[in-house]
Amino acid sequence: DTGVSQDPRHKITKRGQNVTFRCDPISEHNRLYWYRQTLGQGPEFLTYFQNEAQLEKSRLLSDRFSAERPKGSFSTLEIQRTEQGDSAMYLCASSQGQSNQPQHFGDGTRLSIL
Amino acid sequence: AQSVAQPEDQVNVAEGNPLTVKCTYSVSGNPYLFWYVQYPNRGLQFLLKYITGDNLVKGSYGFEAEFNKSQTSFHLKKPSALVSDSALYFCAVRLLSGSARQLTFGSGTQLTVLP
Repeated sequence: DTGVSQDPRHKITKRGQNVTFRCDPISEHNRLYWYRQTLGQGPEFLTYFQNEAQLEKSRLLSDRFSAERPKGSFSTLEIQRTEQGDSAMYLCASSQGQSNQPQHFGDGTRLSIL
Repeated sequence: AQSVAQPEDQVNVAEGNPLTVKCTYSVSGNPYLFWYVQYPNRGLQFLLKYITGDNLVKGSYGFEAEFNKSQTSFHLKKPSALVSDSALYFCAVRLLSGSARQLTFGSGTQLTVLP
């Protein structure tokens, strides 16, 4: 169990640019989640995959956001035409198939928009 | 809809004293409840969960939590606090059944243990 890995840890970009984050879940976990956390708040759900299928999307996930998990292993989260309000910590989590299993989180990607 | 409230933004306790971090929840059904801890610039680390069964749940690092259905609470406790327990604590809930898989988190409580 090497834990959930996220890359990069930090991303600084100019407003209007596109960014992509990667998440590698724990290898035997079939469920993968993306959350966004702003300063002083708890994480907010963005989207959820079971294997390669994206099963849930939050209303927070505007049309500028897209997530994929093409082979049911790693996942990417892309933000197009970034805005100041996108500045946040983006957290990835994974869990095993049983619904009562805890989600295990990566250390996140901190996005700063200049 | 489901929600979590952590009424205290900040809790201070002296090292060696017992600590309590409060959490109340609202769900339309039976809940799964979780506590996570977050250290600066890190992700969330799982502490414990309540699914069914005994109302007192024991978790990592000596933490425990008490589920109270009538009060819809799930307070985190530790008999003797350590300075190293200082961190940000989050309570989270999800429904026992249904299609929703995501966790709903509270806004967090910053715990400071004073030496």
